[in-house]
This record gives sequence, structure tokens and C-alpha cells, in this order.
Amino acid sequence: AQSVTQPDIHITVSEGASLELRCNYSYGATPYLFWYVQSPGQGLQLLLKYFSGDTLVQGIKGFEAEFKRSQSSFNLRKPSVHWSDAAEYFCAVGGSGNTGKLIFGQGTTLQVKP
Amino acid sequence: DAGVIQSPRHEVTEMGQEVTLRCKPISGHDYLFWYRQTMMRGLELLIYFNNNVPIDDSGMPEDRFSAKMPNASFSTLKIQPSEPRDSAVYFCASTIGGGQRSGYTFGSGTRLTVV
Repeated sequence: AQSVTQPDIHITVSEGASLELRCNYSYGATPYLFWYVQSPGQGLQLLLKYFSGDTLVQGIKGFEAEFKRSQSSFNLRKPSVHWSDAAEYFCAVGGSGNTGKLIFGQGTTLQVKP
Repeated sequence: DAGVIQSPRHEVTEMGQEVTLRCKPISGHDYLFWYRQTMMRGLELLIYFNNNVPIDDSGMPEDRFSAKMPNASFSTLKIQPSEPRDSAVYFCASTIGGGQRSGYTFGSGTRLTVV
């Protein structure tokens, strides 16, 4: 069965520091992978997605993610974090085997220290 | 496009009352999803529709929950009777051609409090 694991429930980084949020997935075929961000009181916004091609994908707000098939990972990165990046981040996986359903991880809450 | 529109944004109701949450998907999207978000359980998929037809309602917690999609531009999630444990944020999301390649567009959610 498909599953997504975000090992870190809560991460704190200093403003200007680099960020990496981890995501591991379980899926039998080539997955479609997504990262979403949720600011307090808001819905989820799509940051980036991967479904084929270059394994390093660029998204909005300066985020990028790298698909590593050998590690079943799709980690989200940002070289320099801004205070406005404080939010909850969700990794999600979907695949051709199911009809439209995405499976979401439990989320990682990012806190940014001034 | 105005995005996925949910109403109301906040709902406070007493235990035992009926609650109806509403969603207008993005025009042209043929999939609609209802999610519930709580601190304890995270994001849970309740039900989803394709072309107005319910495809998978296995996430609906119990018979008190029901969802309908009478047309391509409107869906409701109803809880009757409501209980305090139903307190959560309910999200609606829509997508076109399945979410695998395009991802979903989420509404801003309805925060439900049952007292």
C-alpha cells in the first residue's frame, strides 16, 4: 500500500539558515510526488511536484526537492529560510495505480528563529 | 479563477445539531475531495467524487456523515447529529483528470466547533 512518512514532526531553524525537510514514501511503481505548505488558518498550497524527468524540481517561494528512487525519498530544501516560511509542510504521493487519490504525510511544522 | 470556495469559514454549533459544509470547486475540475484535519489524526480523506459520482467513501467516519455532489459546481458535507469529536477543520479540494499529475487545489477550509 502507498504510504508517506515525514520523520520530523517539528523543526526549528534560524532565519537565513538552510532547510531540509525529509519525506519517505512507499509505492510499488513510479510515484507522483508533491510538497504542500499550509500557513496558519489557511488551506494547503502546492509548492512543487515531480512525476518524471529531472529528479531535481524547482517550486515556488525558492523551494526545491530532489527525488531519489534508491532511497524512496523526496526531500524539500531551501538554501536560506525567511521568517515567512514558518508553516506546516506536507509531502504527498499519488500514482497511476489509483484514480486521483493522494496520500499525505503527517506534516512537519517549521519554526523560524529570528 | 476564484479557486475552491468553501463556506462557512467558521461554524460553531451545539452537539446534536445538523451541520452542512459547502464547497464550490474550480470550474472544469472533475474530481472533488473532502478532507478533515485534526491535531491528533492529521489530514484524513473522507470521500471523493469523480464527475459528481462518489468513488470512495471509505474514510467517512460513520453514518452521521454524508456527502453529496448534485452538480459539477457544488458539493456538501453534512453531519447529523454533530458531536464534539467532529470538531476539526474540513477542507475541500478539486483537481482535473485525477490528482496524480497536477495535484489538488485546496479551499481555505471550514473550522467546525461542536460544543
